[in-house]
Amino acid sequence: EAQVTQNPRYLITVTGKKLTVTCSQNMNHEYMSWYRQDPGLGLRQIYYSMNVEVTDKGDVPEGYKVSRKEKRNFPLILESPSPNQTSLYFCASSLGLAIHNEQFFGPGTRLTVL
Amino acid sequence: AQKITQTQPGMFVQEKEAVTLDCTYDTSDQSYGLFWYKQPSSGEMIFLIYQGSYDEQNATEGRYSLNFQKARKSANLVISASQLGDSAMYFCAMRGWATSGSRLTFGEGTQLTVNP
Repeated sequence: EAQVTQNPRYLITVTGKKLTVTCSQNMNHEYMSWYRQDPGLGLRQIYYSMNVEVTDKGDVPEGYKVSRKEKRNFPLILESPSPNQTSLYFCASSLGLAIHNEQFFGPGTRLTVL
Repeated sequence: AQKITQTQPGMFVQEKEAVTLDCTYDTSDQSYGLFWYKQPSSGEMIFLIYQGSYDEQNATEGRYSLNFQKARKSANLVISASQLGDSAMYFCAMRGWATSGSRLTFGEGTQLTVNP
């Protein structure tokens, strides 16, 4: 089944404790992206990757890191989480950059930083 | 820069009736795509429908249709014959060719409630 998977689905952590949210897709997509969703703000892009070893900042990159060492994986790293990073996080992938390329979303990771 | 505006934080509709969810957008791109996503209470994002800026026909997918008015920069979602399972948050989103990151820019969302 074609899908985007994220782990963990739920995470409660404390300020300053480094964490990684994994994202993997099995569709051989070139483009991958991370979004965060906050009430009243919709989804906002954090980072994106056009291909292996090619990553760039989105709208809200502060406090996050990413890497793309393999085509299928795009982990999101929070080196020192803070309470304002409490949010619902989505990983997404699409075949490429074309406008009509649908972005497939993972199931989401609900993160709480105390 | 591109911006999506959804002015209806919440909408209510009776089962079996049609409902229109509003979406207006702003962009300087000549070529762009408009998407609608559904987010049920379980949280996942479900793609509903796509409209390209150069598509002459309004997009339709089953009970979903997109009322695209380019001059007015609006891309309203019409759901016909509403069902209880349509109760969810609905997001309008845009993807522009010249926009950095080829990202989707989302609106704030509209919470739709279908009443029996």
